[in-house]
Amino acid sequence: NAGVTQTPKFRVLKTGQSMTLLCAQDMNHEYMYWYRQDPGMGLRLIHYSVGEGTTAKGEVPDGYNVSRLKKQNFLLGLESAAPSQTSVYFCASSGRGGDLYGYTFGSGTRLTVV
Amino acid sequence: GQQLNQSPQSMFIQEGEDVSMNCTSSSIFNTWLWYKQEPGEGPVLLIALYKAGELTSNGRLTAQFGITRKDSFLNISASIPSDVGIYFCAAMNYGGSQGNLIFGKGTKLSVKP
Repeated sequence: NAGVTQTPKFRVLKTGQSMTLLCAQDMNHEYMYWYRQDPGMGLRLIHYSVGEGTTAKGEVPDGYNVSRLKKQNFLLGLESAAPSQTSVYFCASSGRGGDLYGYTFGSGTRLTVV
Repeated sequence: GQQLNQSPQSMFIQEGEDVSMNCTSSSIFNTWLWYKQEPGEGPVLLIALYKAGELTSNGRLTAQFGITRKDSFLNISASIPSDVGIYFCAAMNYGGSQGNLIFGKGTKLSVKP
């Protein structure tokens, strides 16, 4: 019973490089989310998806793109990484309408951009 | 936009002490949640509250949904070293077209043995 799985767990990028973070959930959840967590800032929503083939912007979407080609996967892309994107990234999923039990989170991807 | 004001930002306590933290908002919500995040992990749900005035316990943890629906608190009794982590409040209006879960900025708890 994996829940929400994020890969990779750690990554170091050079400024200007690109990468994709993968999130996979096995709970048949409709909704998926990408957050970033920075010290003192809590969790900030980057993008989210309310179903396969849909995406929407969250609070801090600039510099990121997402895709939801399959219901179980939600990809977060950085086309040209910047040091300001150094953060811990969390993926989460929930049932339709937000689910009575909130969101289930992955264990995070720690990204450093140098 | 909607915001949750969580306090305190951090706490340093002695093992065995009780802990109290709270979360307030200017907006009304019909669901309040409390999460705990341990180092190197994602947040994990501790307690969910669905009714104004509701008081719910999970072991040594007790949380209440404020009667005004604009606040919630979390108490931890007789703290132990494994209580260390960041505690987040979260709130939403369940039943809408999407689960707009909003998070507080967290309370970082340190417990000295």
